[in-house]
Amino acid sequence: EAGVAQSPRYKIIEKRQSVAFWCNPISGHATLYWYQQILGQGPKLLIQFQNNGVVDDSQLPKDRFSAERLKGVDSTLKIQPAKLEDSAVYLCASSPGQVYHGYTFGSGTRLTVV
Amino acid sequence: GQSLEQPSEVTAVEGAIVQINCTYQTSGFYGLSWYQQHDGGAPTFLSYNGLDGLEETGRFSSFLSRSDSYGYLLLQELQMKDSASYFCAVRANAGKSTFGDGTTLTVKP
Repeated sequence: EAGVAQSPRYKIIEKRQSVAFWCNPISGHATLYWYQQILGQGPKLLIQFQNNGVVDDSQLPKDRFSAERLKGVDSTLKIQPAKLEDSAVYLCASSPGQVYHGYTFGSGTRLTVV
Repeated sequence: GQSLEQPSEVTAVEGAIVQINCTYQTSGFYGLSWYQQHDGGAPTFLSYNGLDGLEETGRFSSFLSRSDSYGYLLLQELQMKDSASYFCAVRANAGKSTFGDGTTLTVKP
């Protein structure tokens, strides 16, 4: 089975610019997560979708971050405007949403804000 | 909320056994997962404990004690390729997982 696809792999932007990341989960996986991983730290949950509905976005900085999952399949995460502290790896993960067998993560997008 | 504690670094030699501990504080606890992440790579799911006791998967085992809010990952017959970061993650309500800050394992020849 194909894994979780993410693009782009790397992105460098200037502060105050906007950026978007794309994720295509494993086919049939109902639950999709976006995590932010700052260097030297564990992944931190930004938002969780179940199909095309938001389950948890309590840690999403909503003044600058937005995410959507139209049609319950692929998802985009946007940052506008970016700050220096947004430099991190943005990981997308998916799971079937029923019986738990862990998450499958994509390779992530490494964002550098200069 | 949730908080997790795990050692930041562990070093061991090839062929040895190493244990990585994880203590947690949380509400709505469902279980404890372990993930492996190589430098520049994606986290990879290793194991999950929903009940107390030991789960074994090849060279890796994971243990959970709900009463002690404690778990560990045991790696046997260490190989150089096991050098990576290992994260414990608490699975709570609605299926979301909160990750610790990881333990960097260095395996030396």
